[in-house]
Amino acid sequence: QLVLQESGPGLVKPSETLSLKCSVSGDSFNGHFWSWIRQAPGKGPEWVGYVSTAGGATGRTQLNSILGGRGSITMDMSRGQFSLQLLSVTAADAALYYCARHAAGTNHSPLDTWGQGIWVTVAS
Amino acid sequence: QMTQSPSTVSASVGDRVTITCRASQSVAHSLSWYQRSPGKAPRLLISQASNLQSGVPSRFSGSGFGTEFTLTISDLQPEDFATYFCLQSYIFSITFGGGTMVDIK
Repeated sequence: QLVLQESGPGLVKPSETLSLKCSVSGDSFNGHFWSWIRQAPGKGPEWVGYVSTAGGATGRTQLNSILGGRGSITMDMSRGQFSLQLLSVTAADAALYYCARHAAGTNHSPLDTWGQGIWVTVAS
Repeated sequence: QMTQSPSTVSASVGDRVTITCRASQSVAHSLSWYQRSPGKAPRLLISQASNLQSGVPSRFSGSGFGTEFTLTISDLQPEDFATYFCLQSYIFSITFGGGTMVDIK
């Protein structure tokens, strides 16, 4: 059974860098698209970005333009992990962050498995 | 843009609940529905607008195509009091509805 687990600091200071990791276990890390999603209090979920481990698209990443170029996603195939880095965070980045897997080998597919999420607070 | 309504619905066990998601442009049938309960990972209920996922009770159903979609929960059970949201995966970047909280009347 596929399990995704987010990890990282729950508190980040304004203007610093947020780094989160998603560890994948129980199924193959290869052959999928993996996304980060966040949900700020009182708002709907928001897609943050994805990384691909699917065939010829392996290593491809895409970030939501609302991040203004501050985000990046990396992956470690040997460890079955992918990570999100968000530079120069502000209070607007405070949210519950989830990692999730796309059901098929494309980012144009539902998210069939999610982690439980990790709260990130931005405060000095 | 996905507009989901209502934002909250109060219901009783045994009730029928309908939640709607409207897309600002056609997303064909690339619409999925999720359930989020406190302390749990979100759960995929329905994919491709109407495909019930394995293990999801048959009281959940989805319908729609293009720009208007509905999630119906018939015979609401205690474990169904949760937040539900939709996701369109047709247009990049993927976008979510704002969510609907189903609470106890």
